[in-house]
This record gives sequence, structure tokens and C-alpha cells, in this order.
Amino acid sequence: GAGVSQTPSNKVTEKGKYVELRCDPISGHTALYWYRQSLGQGPEFLIYFQGTGAADDSGLPNDRFFAVRPEGSVSTLKIQRTERGDSAVYLCASGTGANTGELFFGEGSRLTVL
Amino acid sequence: GQQLNQSPQSMFIQEGEDVSMNCTSSSIFNTWLWYKQDPGEGPVLLIALYKAGELTSNGRLTAQFGITRKDSFLNISASIPSDVGIYFCAGQRRAGAAGNKLTFGGGTRVLVKP
Repeated sequence: GAGVSQTPSNKVTEKGKYVELRCDPISGHTALYWYRQSLGQGPEFLIYFQGTGAADDSGLPNDRFFAVRPEGSVSTLKIQRTERGDSAVYLCASGTGANTGELFFGEGSRLTVL
Repeated sequence: GQQLNQSPQSMFIQEGEDVSMNCTSSSIFNTWLWYKQDPGEGPVLLIALYKAGELTSNGRLTAQFGITRKDSFLNISASIPSDVGIYFCAGQRRAGAAGNKLTFGGGTRVLVKP
């Protein structure tokens, strides 16, 4: 498709389970970002990829969160031992390169941890 | 946590009215951006500002990059029903290892006057 695609759109899991969220960016976009958005809040930065490497992972809240982008396109956000506080919408965005703030966001993956 | 403060937090509009909102920061950003988010969607870029003092328009939208680089405002002229949504400001430093990420404000919720 033409836009950023995120799957699943909704995920309900139990506390302690492992979750993977996938992001398929716009073709040719080298920059990829993950954000987390809690209800009533603005998006909060998690991690930024330029190509295959994580250029800035300063927003990951703890070592239960990890993200990869092995071929410089699709990215997966992985959350281990989920907690109820992880419930949020996880947004992925892509951009044409370094330094641009002009990002294209997906519709997000809504994660609910019971 | 959020470093950008948006005001007002919410506002009601009547069709045809002009709307103003602003965003302030305790630190400097070198790029300011305004995004709009509709329910169930990801944020969509409205306007990007790259120079202090810059005034930029996009249709009925006008945004300015504050001269101190610590604030920005967004005006919507002659509002229409589809202007309803949440407006987010975002800042980008564009310098240093963590300079590419966007920091978002908490949002201004624009609602229709009953």
C-alpha cells in the first residue's frame, strides 16, 4: 500500500505474555520511528531507526522493550513480560531520511494488557 | 514526560470562527511542526517550520515559529466541521545523537460547539 501499515490493529493479551507489533513503512523511507500514545496524551518517543540500525533508543522505557529492523524496511517492536501499564496505542512513522520531522504515521496498534 | 505545553487543552468551535492555539517549551527546538489526529488514525502533518520567525500558511492554516525558538502558534481561519480533531505541536532539535526524534505536546482538542 501507499502508506505506513501496522499490524495487528488491535491486540489483547494477558499480563506476562510476549507481544510483537509490526510496522511496514512507506517504500524507500530510510527513517523509521516508534512512538507510544496513552489515552489523552501526545505520542511519546520510543526508538528511531536510520536504515537497519537503531540510531536513538533513548525512549525505550526498560529492557522489556526491544525493536529490530533487520533489512532496513519492516520493523518489529517486541515487548516481553507485558504489564498492564504497557497498554497504549503504539504508532509507527516513517520519513525520507535523517533530520526530517516530516513523518508519515500509521494508524497504530492498540495494545491492551489484561 | 512531555516537554511541550499546548494551550488551550480543548476548545469549542462554531463554523466560520477563527481558532488559535499555541505551544511553548522550556528548551529550544530548531524545527517546529503541527500535526492533526482524527479518532483511530495516526497524526497527519499539517505544517513544518524551519526558521525562527518563519510564518507559513497551508490553505486556511497559518503557523509561526517563535523568534526565541521556544514557541509556535497555529491559526485556523473560517473553521469548518472537519477541523474537529486533536492538534499536536512537535519540536525537533536536529542536532546531536538524539536530535532527530520529535517531541510532542499534549494536544489541543477541537470540538464542535453544541
